[in-house]
Amino acid sequence: SQQGEEDPQALSIQEGENATMNCSYKTSINNLQWYRQNSGRGLVHLILIRSNEREKHSGRLRVTLDTSKKSSSLLITASRAADTASYFCATAVNNDMRFGAGTRLTVKP
Amino acid sequence: GAVVSQHPSRVICKSGTSVKIECRSLDFQATTMFWYRQFPKKSLMLMATSNEGSKATYEQGVEKDKFLINHASLTLSTLTVTSAHPEDSSFYICSARDRVPGQNYNEQFFGPGTRLTVL
Repeated sequence: SQQGEEDPQALSIQEGENATMNCSYKTSINNLQWYRQNSGRGLVHLILIRSNEREKHSGRLRVTLDTSKKSSSLLITASRAADTASYFCATAVNNDMRFGAGTRLTVKP
Repeated sequence: GAVVSQHPSRVICKSGTSVKIECRSLDFQATTMFWYRQFPKKSLMLMATSNEGSKATYEQGVEKDKFLINHASLTLSTLTVTSAHPEDSSFYICSARDRVPGQNYNEQFFGPGTRLTVL
């Protein structure tokens, strides 16, 4: 079963704009991770945030985690056409990892 | 990060045949491996968790007799789709957890996926 829901399911923006995706989950977690997947391809690990962290940055990516609300957000700043992909959050609960439904991001040049 | 490979990357088979997919951790030992299935435009769904040397644990709704999992060594797990049917067509992704103390301890790494098409 999936762990959480992502919001929005689809997002279309212009190049240069920021993209924000949200993820909610249901159970307590050890960490939360964000992945990118280009159409028909494998997963690319973007960033991991541990349950005791609130914010993390990596290049143009900014991830926040609110364990009280059981939610996380992924912000991509200054988006590029190459950022077009599906983005998934995944939560580590005990021994396995569960994925959210994903957000399909389209960045128009 | 550590590397997980899958073979084949793409397979087309006739209905009723069995297909084996291999998942290997190339530079680390993985006592636990995971198999996910992903339908078009959908998320990854965990099918089963396999521990080296023991039987796999299947998620609810996943038929263990249809999706045979063997985790015979610390670096190899196989998923066999038996008597495949068109509805089994999907993207199958494996993942392996690094159990050796070090930089990647307890992290989960994903393979590139295998596209199965059953005609």
